[in-house]
Amino acid sequence: AQSVAQPEDQVNVAEGNPLTVKCTYSVSGNPYLFWYVQYPNRGLQFLLKYITGDNLVKGSYGFEAEFNKSQTSFHLKKPSALVSDSALYFCAVRVGGSYIPTFGRGTSLIVHP
Amino acid sequence: DTAVSQTPKYLVTQMGNDKSIKCEQNLGHDTMYWYKQDSKKFLKIMFSYNNKELIINETVPNRFSPKSPDKAHLNLHINSLELGDSAVYFCASSPSRENTEAFFGQGTRLTVV
Repeated sequence: AQSVAQPEDQVNVAEGNPLTVKCTYSVSGNPYLFWYVQYPNRGLQFLLKYITGDNLVKGSYGFEAEFNKSQTSFHLKKPSALVSDSALYFCAVRVGGSYIPTFGRGTSLIVHP
Repeated sequence: DTAVSQTPKYLVTQMGNDKSIKCEQNLGHDTMYWYKQDSKKFLKIMFSYNNKELIINETVPNRFSPKSPDKAHLNLHINSLELGDSAVYFCASSPSRENTEAFFGQGTRLTVV
């Protein structure tokens, strides 16, 4: 079984401030973790993934995420938020050997000018 | 060139009708998917094909039938449409069944009236 939780429906941050979008997961095996972003009326765009290796993963548009096995978390971060980062962010997980990803319910990020 | 394109973008139809959504990818990927996103933005996988072979078939009513004439195309046919089928349907592709970093189409907003 696998599941992913995004505990915040919405995150508000001022432009220029650091941002964090939280994700925790539960799998029975090695997790493959993903972050996607969805802009209004668009499909999802891949940001980054963790499969194995370095716990800090760098992705598109200056985003990064840290895999924390002990806390079963994969939080998305960016040092300095832009208004254009405002969008819906999805965390996803699948377990190695399974081809079925499970998506979180999404977190709406709002960056204020 | 659009990597993953799906048509139509909007579809409004009456209950009981049969409709199809088409999807094409020009990325040379082996694996394609259909996802359903409901009004609360919850995203769930419906089907996946790998090289024209069905590999994922989640708990979806039999009224939904995917068809993959070749690995670049994955169409979705829906019979006897119901009000609850109203949603945004996303097609996606990934390089392989193991590499599930997915590229999404822009979505088809289906409204059943």
